[in-house]
Amino acid sequence: SQQGEEDPQALSIQEGENATMNCSYKTSINNLQWYRQNSGRGLVHLILIRSNEREKHSGRLRVTLDTSKKSSSLLITASRAADTASYFCATGLMNRDDKIIFGKGTRLHILP
Amino acid sequence: DAGITQSPRHKVTETGTPVTLRCHQTENHRYMYWYRQDPGHGLRLIHYSYGVKDTDKGEVSDGYSVSRSKTEDFLLTLESATSSQTSVYFCAIRRGGTQGAYEQYFGPGTRLTVT
Repeated sequence: SQQGEEDPQALSIQEGENATMNCSYKTSINNLQWYRQNSGRGLVHLILIRSNEREKHSGRLRVTLDTSKKSSSLLITASRAADTASYFCATGLMNRDDKIIFGKGTRLHILP
Repeated sequence: DAGITQSPRHKVTETGTPVTLRCHQTENHRYMYWYRQDPGHGLRLIHYSYGVKDTDKGEVSDGYSVSRSKTEDFLLTLESATSSQTSVYFCAIRRGGTQGAYEQYFGPGTRLTVT
């Protein structure tokens, strides 16, 4: 069963704009992670936020987590053509560190 | 890329034939995973391993078996391939983090077509 659901399913923005994508989940988590997948490639880990954290930054990435709403957002600032990819959230469940559950992803297209 | 390779990278096979996909890692990680990725479904876990000879099922394990006789190799076998198993298969390892918060690193994928 799908634990995380990303929104929107697809997003197109102009280069230089900020991109925001959201992830909602159903059950209590230990952590939430975001991954990027370029076309035809494997997933690449971007950032992990623990359940006791509210915000985390990494370069142009900003992730927030609201456990009361069971939701997370990924903000990419000053987007570039190279940011064109699919982005997936993945949740690590409480007391289960052996696996994570992926959502279906958001396809981000950066327009020149 | 965490030293993960998958072979073959592409395969076309006929319905009913057995197929084995191989995942090889060079960093001695304990946990390894097999996923399939299909349009509209994201990544779904097939099987995973938490040590040599220790494996467990994921959410879409029917029709698949796995084996891990060495730390570095995790094999995924389709005993009798069906068209519904046409997919892109990814292997991953678990790395880093502290208890309860681990990241996964992925191989390049195997594109399997069952005709």
